[in-house]
Amino acid sequence: DVKVTQSSRYLVKRTGEKVFLECVQDMDHENMFWYRQDPGLGLRLIYFSYDVKMKEKGDIPEGYSVSREKKERFSLILESASTNQTSMYLCASRDISYEQYFGPGTRLTVT
Amino acid sequence: GDSVTQMEGPVTLSEEAFLTINCTYTATGYPSLFWYVQYPGEGLQLLLKATKADDKGSNKGFEATYRKETTSFHLEKGSVQVSDSAVYFCALSETGGTSYGKLTFGQGTILTVHP
Repeated sequence: DVKVTQSSRYLVKRTGEKVFLECVQDMDHENMFWYRQDPGLGLRLIYFSYDVKMKEKGDIPEGYSVSREKKERFSLILESASTNQTSMYLCASRDISYEQYFGPGTRLTVT
Repeated sequence: GDSVTQMEGPVTLSEEAFLTINCTYTATGYPSLFWYVQYPGEGLQLLLKATKADDKGSNKGFEATYRKETTSFHLEKGSVQVSDSAVYFCALSETGGTSYGKLTFGQGTILTVHP
């Protein structure tokens, strides 16, 4: 079974803090993705990575950055957290049939 | 750009009722189409998929047919159960070029099934 794990299920941070969200997959997938999920908006793509050290912006990259130093790990970084970044963050990795496998999500609250 | 539109929700049904959740899409190429389901407190998991026109995806009693002429991928189930209560997302993925398989999602439909 493909497994995608995320470092925290719930996180509370203060405005202006630097926040790291970690994601690890165990299936040697090349492509990994970060989405945020908000009610009524579905999931929106923040960033994705197609190889180690390679990254591309998604639809809503502002205020975020990413890091992929190892194939199995893809980190999302909020450089200076703001209240409008309060959301559910979902990581996924993709297999060769284009199916994406999701982690359980991190619910981030910025106060 | 690509987009996916799902029917407005939430949807509330009684057990054993028939379910339809409408999904239409716009895409520049020949996308693969997916339905994902999210149970309370969990991440998304693939429910079914179809990769080309007229394909029918099916799983756990759910079905959806890839209709290129109407650009639709409606989800159906003949008899829903309480355990089907979840959020359902329609999504598409371009599968060639530099798309890298990014998913474009609809807004999600909350389904609640009462005994």
